[in-house]
This record gives sequence, structure tokens and C-alpha cells, in this order.
Amino acid sequence: KNQVEQSPQSLIILEGKNCTLQCNYTVSPFSNLRWYKQDTGRGPVSLTIMTFSENTKSNGRYTATLDADTKQSSLHITASQLSDSASYICVVMKNNDMRFGAGTRLTVKP
Amino acid sequence: DTGVSQDPRHKITKRGQNVTFRCDPISEHNRLYWYRQTLGQGPEFLTYFQNEAQLEKSRLLSDRFSAERPKGSFSTLEIQRTEQGDSAMYLCASRHPNTGELFFGEGSRLTVL
Repeated sequence: KNQVEQSPQSLIILEGKNCTLQCNYTVSPFSNLRWYKQDTGRGPVSLTIMTFSENTKSNGRYTATLDADTKQSSLHITASQLSDSASYICVVMKNNDMRFGAGTRLTVKP
Repeated sequence: DTGVSQDPRHKITKRGQNVTFRCDPISEHNRLYWYRQTLGQGPEFLTYFQNEAQLEKSRLLSDRFSAERPKGSFSTLEIQRTEQGDSAMYLCASRHPNTGELFFGEGSRLTVL
């Protein structure tokens, strides 16, 4: 069983709308949790990195939250744009070992 | 461009042939990782290097897979006697020595016919 579970598997929203992607993990203890954006056919690009002591971190229209007690993280995208269409991958780092979620495929439609 | 570069970006080969992918990491990053990614899945760890030392290779998918980083700079991933199930995106990443952040290349997409 994957130690990093993401939901939903895919999501379609209209341009301008907000959305929230979820990441639940069982990795413990962990060093940090990261969210990556991966455009189709490209390599992942880092959006946010949070240590276990951080609750929230923003990067423009992207805001990540972390609840280390419930082992949940979310990525909130505000005022979505067509260019936000991509896969969003949650990665939990334990020591030197990185555990990847399967990603959420987001499609933003005009 | 000072990012991670991978070559080739796309490779189509016939079953049974050998293929080799190259990764040039960001120059000051001493850790280099190889991942495999299939459609709809997250990257799957294969192996990693600290400088020229290969510190983890037990997750390489079979003995047909091998990786090298002879001088601690660029790395190669070779797949011998390719099978159709090897078709995937092969991603390379290097890690910032201070922040630990991973920087990925654009990947090498392999199609085995």
C-alpha cells in the first residue's frame, strides 16, 4: 500500500474557480512534505516545501497546508487559470527516502 | 540553462535492443536520482548517487537496469534487452545540498515496440 495517498485522482474545474487537492500519508516520522506540479510530458516542478512544524505555506495562487497530527496536507489553488492544468504530486520525505503520491490530474476548462 | 538536462527526450526502440539515457545535473548538486514514471502514477524511485558512489540500487527493476556516474557529474541509465513493459518516462533529479530540494529534468520517454 502506498504510504502517500492523493485525492481526488482527477478533477475538472472551470477557469477562475478555486479547488483543493488532498494528500494523506502514513510516513512517520517525516522530514518535510512537498507539492510538485507536473505538466504533461515534462518533469515535476516544486511548488512548496513544508517541514513538520509548518502549518501553511503559500506560493502565489497556491497555498499548501499541513496537519502533522492527522497526517494530512492540502493544496489550495485560487482563481484557477488554464495553465494550472497539470498533475499535482505530493511527496513526503523521510530521512533520505522520498515517497511519492500518484498525483491528482487537474484540468481547468475555459 | 543551468537546470537538469536529460537526453534523449524521446526514444523509440524495438524489443530486445539496449538503450541508454543521460542526465546532467545542476553542477553543485552532489546527489542524483533516477525515477521511472508510468502514465497516471507518481515517480517510482530506481537508484541514487552521492557524487560517484551509487548508494542505493536495490530498487532497480531488474538486472537489465544499470546506472553509472563515473566522475560524479553526469549519469547514465542503461536498459538492456528492452521489453515492452519498460515503456515509461525516465526522470532524473538532482538535489540541492543545503535545502534538499529536488530539481527534475524534463525526462526521457521510452517507447518499446
